[in-house]
Amino acid sequence: DAKTTQPPSMDCAEGRAANLPCNHSTISGNEYVYWYRQIHSQGPQYIIHGLKNNETNEMASLIITEDRKSSTLILPHATLRDTAVYYCIVRVGSGGSNYKLTFGKGTLLTVNP
Amino acid sequence: DAGVIQSPRHEVTEMGQEVTLRCKPISGHNSLFWYRQTMMRGLELLIYFNNNVPIDDSGMPEDRFSAKMPNASFSTLKIQPSEPRDSAVYFCASTFGRGFTDTQYFGPGTRLTVL
Repeated sequence: DAKTTQPPSMDCAEGRAANLPCNHSTISGNEYVYWYRQIHSQGPQYIIHGLKNNETNEMASLIITEDRKSSTLILPHATLRDTAVYYCIVRVGSGGSNYKLTFGKGTLLTVNP
Repeated sequence: DAGVIQSPRHEVTEMGQEVTLRCKPISGHNSLFWYRQTMMRGLELLIYFNNNVPIDDSGMPEDRFSAKMPNASFSTLKIQPSEPRDSAVYFCASTFGRGFTDTQYFGPGTRLTVL
């Protein structure tokens, strides 16, 4: 799986958009970008994933650059409950290990009142 | 709909004792994963089951760890004998299928402390 690089921490004001970057410069053509988050003392939670087109769901938007070497997770109106560690994961699209999620250190997003 | 259920939520035991962690996946899911999370190593995949069959146990630390899935609704992770370095949060996750776009649904975890 391609390695990802995320800032260790970020702050965001409540009600503002939170933009979490992720670099994955060695991503392959069939690898997807996944985002999970982990709120303190809870299990990881799936947020969104994409291949090359921008994606949006009820939780967030995912913007992937045209060269696919980086992406940004956007929480449009951050709340205090969005304070969590956010993991960017690149996952192979085929082969025997396609079930694996390799979690890095992620970004600790702190939403401030 | 109930999510992944794990029990116990907290376990404190003494070194050398047997520990059994339990997991009930989401109904209808046919893939189950056990993860371990520590400050030093982060989240690590221990073992993966598909249709109740262990597919990949390469993450199991050593022979003291064993996992079973006797049916689609239940899995156990056993540590015998336990050691202080096994202290961690253990997560169970489940999903349907084995395609690369499958998302995994995690349980609340079991916090294990071995004294």
